[in-house]
Amino acid sequence: QSALTQPASVSGSPGRSITISCTGTSSDVGAYNYVSWYQQHAGKAPKLMIFHVTDRPSGVSTRFSGSKSGNTASLTISGLQAEDEADYFCCSYTTSHTWVFGGGTKLTVL
Amino acid sequence: QITLKESGPTLVKPTQTLTLTCTFSGFSLSTSEMGVGWVRQPPGKALEWLALIYWNDDKRYSPSLKNRLTITRDTSKNQVVLTLTNMDPVDTATYYCIQTPGGGFKVWGQGALVTVSS
Repeated sequence: QSALTQPASVSGSPGRSITISCTGTSSDVGAYNYVSWYQQHAGKAPKLMIFHVTDRPSGVSTRFSGSKSGNTASLTISGLQAEDEADYFCCSYTTSHTWVFGGGTKLTVL
Repeated sequence: QITLKESGPTLVKPTQTLTLTCTFSGFSLSTSEMGVGWVRQPPGKALEWLALIYWNDDKRYSPSLKNRLTITRDTSKNQVVLTLTNMDPVDTATYYCIQTPGGGFKVWGQGALVTVSS
């Protein structure tokens, strides 16, 4: 299985919105609604931000939202804040009953 | 409160076998749909899913590492053990233990950095 494809970097100004894409195949992203997103600050463990494509765990800001169309999932962060600057990784369940991550996207808040 | 903690060697030599233990609390691996697994991250690189063991003892492995990985559980001790054989410098990474009640890796351990060097 190949890693899911994410842009290496995105940036946005405080208060604006950004979207990070995650492209897979019909064997992973397109197969199930089991896409999740993780935020990782430098030197820290990843944190679950979105699961089941659109669901937010308790405590995660409503500024974070997820969606999917075909083989591409997306994470949107609205009202950007300085604390959102981090690496973001998508992850999908596959038809082989395994999991695969994306290559990660570095978000810079300008 | 759910916690997971990784333990094991910080340094291994090439060709050796790595054994990592995840000790968890706050949940039972016997609960339906529950899973505990491992994810690693080489320095400065992306996350890589390695293995998962489920409440019913079903085990899943990364296809690229399947021949080198073994995951087991000790339900009485609340532990999950990962072994990775024939270690190579490219296996140098932070290894994370994760908990999944289904759908996403909800809780992560703090991570354990393992360096492979002679």
